[in-house]
Amino acid sequence: NAGVTQTPKFRILKIGQSMTLQCTQDMNHNYMYWYRQDPGMGLKLIYYSVGAGITDKGEVPNGYNVSRSTTEDFPLRLELAAPSQTSVYFCASSYSRRRNTGELFFGEGSRLTVL
Amino acid sequence: SQELEQSPQSLIVQEGKNLTINCTSSKTLYGLYWYKQKYGEGLIFLMMLQKGGEEKSHEKITAKLDEKKQQSSLHITASQPSHAGIYLCGGGNFGNEKLTFGTGTRLTIIP
Repeated sequence: NAGVTQTPKFRILKIGQSMTLQCTQDMNHNYMYWYRQDPGMGLKLIYYSVGAGITDKGEVPNGYNVSRSTTEDFPLRLELAAPSQTSVYFCASSYSRRRNTGELFFGEGSRLTVL
Repeated sequence: SQELEQSPQSLIVQEGKNLTINCTSSKTLYGLYWYKQKYGEGLIFLMMLQKGGEEKSHEKITAKLDEKKQQSSLHITASQPSHAGIYLCGGGNFGNEKLTFGTGTRLTIIP
C-alpha cells in the first residue's frame, strides 16, 4: 500500500533556485493538499485541490504554484526560493468529506532548506 | 478565514498522569480531526468528530466536541512515554473544502 508518496525527502536549495516537490497518491482521492510546517509549529495550508483541473489558495500561497492535471498527482512548484521557505512540506489527500470521514492521509514529508 | 487555536502550546507531564489538550475554532466546524506527530515524522490520524456533543475513545485517548462544534478537547489517561509528540487539531467549515490545522501542542512525558 503506497498511499501518499512525496519526493524528494530532503533538498537543499540556493536562494533564487526553483524546484518542484512531487506528490502522488494511489487511493483515487478527490482532494489533495499541500501544507508546510515550520519548526515547533502547526501546519499551514499552502494550496489545495478538490479534483483534477481545480486548485485553490490556502493560507500561505505566496511563492508557490500548483497544478492538478490528474487525480493522482499534485506537484508543488517553488519559484525563486527564499530562506523563508525553509520548512517541512507535507502532501495529503482525502475523499470528499461529504462522502466519507474525510480523514487526511499524509505523506512522510519533504524537508527543504534554502541557503 | 477559520482559525484554530490550541492550548497549551507545550505540556510536560509525569508518566502516569492525566492530561488535556484543547482546540478552539473561531467558526462552527463541519468536522474536527485530531492527529499526532512523532518528532520529525509524519502525521498519524487519531480520530474525527462530526456531531455536536460527540465523544470518541481509542485506547487511553478520548476526544470530545462541544455542542456548538467550536471547541474540542483531547484527554489522555495514565500517560505513557509512547504518548509523547505533537498533537494537532484540524477542522473545516461546511461548504468550504479547506482543512486548516491548529498551532499544535508539544507533549513531553517524563519518567
